[in-house]
Amino acid sequence: AQSVAQPEDQVNVAEGNPLTVKCTYSVSGNPYLFWYVQYPNRGLQFLLKYITGDNLVKGSYGFEAEFNKSQTSFHLKKPSALVSDSALYFCAVSPPPTGFQKLVFGTGTRLLVSP
Amino acid sequence: KAGVTQTPRYLIKTRGQQVTLSCSPISGHRSVSWYQQTPGQGLQFLFEYFSETQRNKGNFPGRFSGRQFSNSRSEMNVSTLELGDSALYLCASSGGQGGTEAFFGQGTRLTVV
Repeated sequence: AQSVAQPEDQVNVAEGNPLTVKCTYSVSGNPYLFWYVQYPNRGLQFLLKYITGDNLVKGSYGFEAEFNKSQTSFHLKKPSALVSDSALYFCAVSPPPTGFQKLVFGTGTRLLVSP
Repeated sequence: KAGVTQTPRYLIKTRGQQVTLSCSPISGHRSVSWYQQTPGQGLQFLFEYFSETQRNKGNFPGRFSGRQFSNSRSEMNVSTLELGDSALYLCASSGGQGGTEAFFGQGTRLTVV
């Protein structure tokens, strides 16, 4: 069965410092991997995706993620955090061959950026 | 380009009733997926429709059903509501043929009392 693990319920970081939100996955075949962000009482906003190719993926709002096949990880990173980055972040995998239409989500990581 | 639109945004229903939620996908998107989000279970996939056909289904009881119309708009229905059905229901649309990510609506907050 496909699964996604986000080992940290919450990540705290000071504004201006780099941030990392961790994600590991378990899926057979070559997965599609995604990061989404959710603000209070809102839907999910797409940040970035890995399908194939370069292991370092750049996305919206200065976020990037590195795909590591040997460690089955897809950690989200940003060089300099902003207070406005505080939100709930979800890692998701789309197990082949369902494509983008059936996402398996992690439990989410709350990012808190302090001024 | 308009995003994914879900109506209504908020809904309060009584146990035993049924409810219908609506989702209008991004223009040109033919795939619509539905997810349930609860504090206890997180985000769970309900089902996905493409060209009016259910193509993928999650592990939910038969009380949860959906359909898609020829204009790609989708509805989901929950019958015989239970307190545990209280959740944020999210709809997402995508191109359906690969190459595009899923875009989510703002959700419908269903409260069952």
